[in-house]
Amino acid sequence: QVQLQESGPGLVKPSETLSLTCTVSGGSISGYYWSWIRQPPGKGLEWIGYIFYSGSTYYNPSLKSRVTISIDTSKNQFSLKVTSVTAADTAVYYCARHPTGSNYIDYWGQGTLVTVSS
Amino acid sequence: QLVLTQSPSASASLGASVKLTCTLSSGHSSYAIAWHQQQPEKGPRYLMMLNSDGRHSKGDGIPDRFSGSSSGAERYLTISSLQSEDEADYYCQTWGTGTVVFGGGTKLTVL
Repeated sequence: QVQLQESGPGLVKPSETLSLTCTVSGGSISGYYWSWIRQPPGKGLEWIGYIFYSGSTYYNPSLKSRVTISIDTSKNQFSLKVTSVTAADTAVYYCARHPTGSNYIDYWGQGTLVTVSS
Repeated sequence: QLVLTQSPSASASLGASVKLTCTLSSGHSSYAIAWHQQQPEKGPRYLMMLNSDGRHSKGDGIPDRFSGSSSGAERYLTISSLQSEDEADYYCQTWGTGTVVFGGGTKLTVL
């Protein structure tokens, strides 16, 4: 059974960089697309971007200028960086997997709350 | 532009059935979608992938009470024999070249 676990600081100061890591267990990171999604308190889901195991990336145009997703296949991990954060970036951040050959999501992490505040 | 539209809320009685709708934007009626369930204070869970012809494949452990169907640009999630634990937010999700899109979600209340 594939499991995904997000990790990183729960509090980030305004204008700083938010950094999160997703660790994949129970399966290989190779051969799949991997996404980051966020959910502001009381709101819906917003796709941030995804990365293929080879390293190619696609980002939500609304966030593209501030977001970088990277992957480390040797550690079975992929990561998210969001620069110049504001209170609007406060959200629960989820990592997720897309199955081979399609881009629906079949596995989700449990999510981690990141609060942007001084 | 690829957009998914969902009604914000729905309600049905314990033991009854409910049909939730997700509508694809104009020009995208052939797209497949996925349904995800988010129970209160929990992360989303994958329920099923649903094709335009109504064929669907469910995630591991998803009960038979959950089924999917399609008609034109509309994708449906039907939950039968409603239980209290079905009270949740339900999101549809689709994808295009280099993009992933979520609907706004439907909050289901079990009366």
